[in-house]
Amino acid sequence: GENVEQHPSTLSVQEGDSAVIKCTYSDSASNYFPWYKQELGKRPQLIIDIRSNVGEKKDQRIAVTLNKTAKHFSLHITETQPEDSAVYFCAASKGNQFYFGTGTSLTVIP
Amino acid sequence: DAGVIQSPRHEVTEMGQEVTLRCKPISGHNSLFWYRQTMMRGLELLIYFNNNVPIDDSGMPEDRFSAKMPNASFSTLKIQPSEPRDSAVYFCASSFGYSNQPQHFGDGTRLSIL
Repeated sequence: GENVEQHPSTLSVQEGDSAVIKCTYSDSASNYFPWYKQELGKRPQLIIDIRSNVGEKKDQRIAVTLNKTAKHFSLHITETQPEDSAVYFCAASKGNQFYFGTGTSLTVIP
Repeated sequence: DAGVIQSPRHEVTEMGQEVTLRCKPISGHNSLFWYRQTMMRGLELLIYFNNNVPIDDSGMPEDRFSAKMPNASFSTLKIQPSEPRDSAVYFCASSFGYSNQPQHFGDGTRLSIL
């Protein structure tokens, strides 16, 4: 099966700085990579996704990059704000089933 | 759209009791997923359905857990008998299509077994 590793497990940044979260996957057949944000006590919410035919995707302050050869993908958040504080999960999928990373707890310090 | 609706939001019950969690997927979605989330194990997929048919239940911990989807708009996850180690947040998610589509999560059921 697929194995997704996510780093770091915790990340603290100053407000306005950038944050980068990295994930690796093991199954080269995986072709869909969503990212979810989960605030404390809330549900995971999709914030951005990328498919394997694309190398990069951007949505305002959030971007995701994918390196299929190296089997890794990353989430980039620029100009971080306190409301970006949450746990972020990456996932890899090659069908209906998502394989989630273990999460990164991001704290943005005002 | 109301999103994925789960009930109850919180459940506290004693060990040995039967627990039933409910989920209404987003209208038109044909795939439904049950997850369990704990600090120790993160997000675990328990079972998922396509067109009301269970496709993969390999994540169901043991025979005490069962899930049904009698129609396109309703699913249940049942634990009988419940044990303290079942305490977790249980999420239901739905998606449209059969592969590589975003899953939309409900608000979860926080289950505490005393």
